[in-house]
Amino acid sequence: ETGVTQTPRHLVMGMTNKKSLKCEQHLGHNAMYWYKQSAKKPLELMFVYNFKEQTENNSVPSRFSPECPNSSHLFLHLHTLQPEDSALYLCASSQDDGTFSYEQYFGPGTRLTVT
Amino acid sequence: AQSVTQLDSQVPVFEEAPVELRCNYSSSVSVYLFWYVQYPNQGLQLLLKYLSGSTLVKGINGFEAEFNKSQTSFHLRKPSVHISDTAEYFCAVSQTSGSRLTFGEGTQLTVNP
Repeated sequence: ETGVTQTPRHLVMGMTNKKSLKCEQHLGHNAMYWYKQSAKKPLELMFVYNFKEQTENNSVPSRFSPECPNSSHLFLHLHTLQPEDSALYLCASSQDDGTFSYEQYFGPGTRLTVT
Repeated sequence: AQSVTQLDSQVPVFEEAPVELRCNYSSSVSVYLFWYVQYPNQGLQLLLKYLSGSTLVKGINGFEAEFNKSQTSFHLRKPSVHISDTAEYFCAVSQTSGSRLTFGEGTQLTVNP
């Protein structure tokens, strides 16, 4: 599966570090998403980008900062995280025609551990 | 707004047994429905989807699901499971009028030898 790639696959960082997660989609889609998946909790949608513009921010703390330089790339910049931010961070993409977002294709995720 | 309820958080079954993973949704308008599978240490992969037409939808790996509008359900079934089907399964819904996917909390299917 190479449609949506994420790097790194695993990341351990201290609470004072700054790091970035990268996502790239090779499917020609125009919408990209960041999700947080914690143990025993539903998938949490964090950010949505359509045509490189952020269209949703679901009350995500400012220590998470997304960046979408073009329709194929999405970053999640991390700084001064908390241990409760440890989770699997999933990137997804879809084709959005303005009224409906078709099925989303997911990357393999980045397993983040905050120490 | 829509919501999804997956009625079982864990389903253990023996190999070659049939399985049904239950999903109910709530929405005031027409919906599209999806099932995703997540294998350990991987992202979510689309199993099947219902957009319109036949209420019985066939997906990959021998899975199928039936859309029941009157019962607002979209249960996932497989007549004979394999060890390799062990994974977490997510039901998701979006409204035909346009909305983001809403995911259920997931069902962990464990297939035992």
